[in-house]
Amino acid sequence: AQSVTQLDSHVSVSEGTPVLLRCNYSSSYSPSLFWYVQHPNKGLQLLLKYTSAATLVKGINGFEAEFKKSETSFHLTKPSAHMSDAAEYFCVVSDNSNTGKLIFGQGTTLQVKP
Amino acid sequence: DGGITQSPKYLFRKEGQNVTLSCEQNLNHDAMYWYRQDPGQGLRLIYYSQIVNDFQKGDIAEGYSVSREKKESFPLTVTSAQKNPTAFYLCASSRQARDITEAFFGQGTRLTVV
Repeated sequence: AQSVTQLDSHVSVSEGTPVLLRCNYSSSYSPSLFWYVQHPNKGLQLLLKYTSAATLVKGINGFEAEFKKSETSFHLTKPSAHMSDAAEYFCVVSDNSNTGKLIFGQGTTLQVKP
Repeated sequence: DGGITQSPKYLFRKEGQNVTLSCEQNLNHDAMYWYRQDPGQGLRLIYYSQIVNDFQKGDIAEGYSVSREKKESFPLTVTSAQKNPTAFYLCASSRQARDITEAFFGQGTRLTVV
C-alpha cells in the first residue's frame, strides 16, 4: 500500500532563510508525488508534482522538490522564505489504481518569523 | 473563472440532523472527490465518483452519502449516523480518474455540531 510520512509536524524559519520540509514515501510502483499548500481555512493549492519525468521539480512561488528513489524521499525546499509562505504543507502520493485517489501525509505547519 | 465552489463556507448542525454540503465544478472534470480534514490527520477520503451516476466509498464513508446526478455536481450528505461530524470538508475534482495530473480543490466547508 502507498503511504507518505512527513517527518516534521512543525517547522519554524526566519524570513529570508532556506526552507526544508521533509517527506518520505512508500510505494510498490513508480509513484506520482505532489506537494500542496493550504492557507488557514482555505482549500489546497498545488505547488508542484512529480510524474516520472525530471527528478528535480520546480513549482510555484520559488519552491522545488527532488525525487530520490534510493532514499524514497520527496523533500520540499525554497532558498529564501517569505512571510506569505506561512501555511500548512501536504506531501501526497497517488493511489495509482486508476481512481485518482490521493493519499495525504499528516501535514507540516510552516511558521515564518520576521 | 473555472473552478470548484463549495457552499456554505460554515455550517452548524444540531445533533440528529442530516445536512448536505454542496460542491459544484465548471472545469468539465469527470472525477470528483470528498475529503475530510481533522487537525493533525491530513485529509481522508470519504467518497469519490469517476463518472456521472457512479460513486464509490473511500476510507471513511460510514455516516455519509453522496449522489452524482450531474457531471458538475457532487453533494455530500452528513447523516445522523456520523458520530463525529465536526470537521473541515474539502471537495476536489480531476480531469479523469486514471489521468493523475492534478486535483483541484474547493475552499472547504467547516461543519460544526452544536
